[in-house]
Amino acid sequence: AQKVTQAQTEISVVEKEDVTLDCVYETRDTTYYLFWYKQPPSGELVFLIRRNSFDEQNEISGRYSWNFQKSTSSFNFTITASQVVDSAVYFCALSERSGGSNYKLTFGKGTLLTVNP
Amino acid sequence: NAGVTQTPKFRILKIGQSMTLQCTQDMNHNYMYWYRQDPGMGLKLIYYSVGAGITDKGEVPNGYNVSRSTTEDFPLRLELAAPSQTSVYFCASSAAGKSSYEQYFGPGTRLTVT
Repeated sequence: AQKVTQAQTEISVVEKEDVTLDCVYETRDTTYYLFWYKQPPSGELVFLIRRNSFDEQNEISGRYSWNFQKSTSSFNFTITASQVVDSAVYFCALSERSGGSNYKLTFGKGTLLTVNP
Repeated sequence: NAGVTQTPKFRILKIGQSMTLQCTQDMNHNYMYWYRQDPGMGLKLIYYSVGAGITDKGEVPNGYNVSRSTTEDFPLRLELAAPSQTSVYFCASSAAGKSSYEQYFGPGTRLTVT
């Protein structure tokens, strides 16, 4: 079973629109962490945010905001007033214990966001 | 502080050839990882290491080997390249294996096997 599901394969918006990227996860652990990474056209992976399973407070960082809801196992990412520079593939990832004290990061398949001028 | 560096950036291999993808980090991180990214897919873990001398398999280890002789270096070896290994390879490191520590990624190596 897929542990991290990003149902939106591609999203296309016009600049200044708001856009929400969905992420649904699956885990049996009570302690886990969720991440969002950005992969711009240049290819590198850029860390955006980390959220632990005990902290359900929403977070806002400039035009970015994240909505973590344990009841629905979702960790959605919203970009307000999108800009062309936001065009990228966005990955949601889950980190959970995997044998002993080791932790592994499981990525979703990513959502390609295209922001058109 | 260069972070995580990978070489080469691009490489074309013929079927059956061998090569080593280099990865170095200067953050004194204990944990290091190798992922592959196929088109339209997320990243899949190939191998990881919790410290010098210790490595373990990830989700897709077949066809690859790793070693970790120092904290800084974590090379990935392809012994008999196959077209199925055409992918973008990312190396990453983290301060610890605990799930709270984000992974820092290198710029990637784009490998084509023909």
